[in-house]
Amino acid sequence: NAGVMQNPRHLVRRRGQEARLRCSPMKGHSHVYWYRQLPEEGLKFMVYLQKENIIDESGMPKERFSAEFPKEGPSILRIQQVVRGDSAAYFCASSLDLNEKLFFGSGTQLSVL
Amino acid sequence: GIQVEQSPPDLILQEGANSTLRCNFSDSVNNLQWFHQNPWGQLINLFYIPSGTKQNGRLSATTVATERYSLLYISSSQTTDSGVYFCAVSLMNTGFQKLVFGTGTRLLVSP
Repeated sequence: NAGVMQNPRHLVRRRGQEARLRCSPMKGHSHVYWYRQLPEEGLKFMVYLQKENIIDESGMPKERFSAEFPKEGPSILRIQQVVRGDSAAYFCASSLDLNEKLFFGSGTQLSVL
Repeated sequence: GIQVEQSPPDLILQEGANSTLRCNFSDSVNNLQWFHQNPWGQLINLFYIPSGTKQNGRLSATTVATERYSLLYISSSQTTDSGVYFCAVSLMNTGFQKLVFGTGTRLLVSP
């Protein structure tokens, strides 16, 4: 059973470009989370999704950021018009049920030049 | 919001030594997990432990929910234990895993 798969592992964008991060949860997991880790900080919750539904996006900036988890395919975190402050490690996580162990992917390191 | 404090912030050990990491939280929680972030950035889930005691090999954890703290024990430490250890919790009235992470304990195990 493969773990949570994230790609790309590293992503470099220039200011103003779009960043698209992908996450495939563990097989059978329908609860997907995105967290962000700024340099030298702990992780911060961004958004919680189930298939086709955003359940809670209270940790996500109101502008430029969006997330989806379509019926088919991976979850996508999309950042439009990136700025330098978006540079961070973005982690996706999944769980089998609401309150069970949360498994994290290896993260996408986004660097904005 | 809930505060999660971990101590010590930094820890240096000789290989083979034992250690105890502490996590204090400021409110009632229904979810507490310990994670190890290795030097390559990968996050490994060590324990899901909202209460009680669990053991997994050289690691064990205890959470005393009524007193709002959790402890992670590492015995016979190895160099591969190096990295940052995070405690993460979610509030009692949160129906999903909106985890609040602590500040972490950075552990270095030297040969």
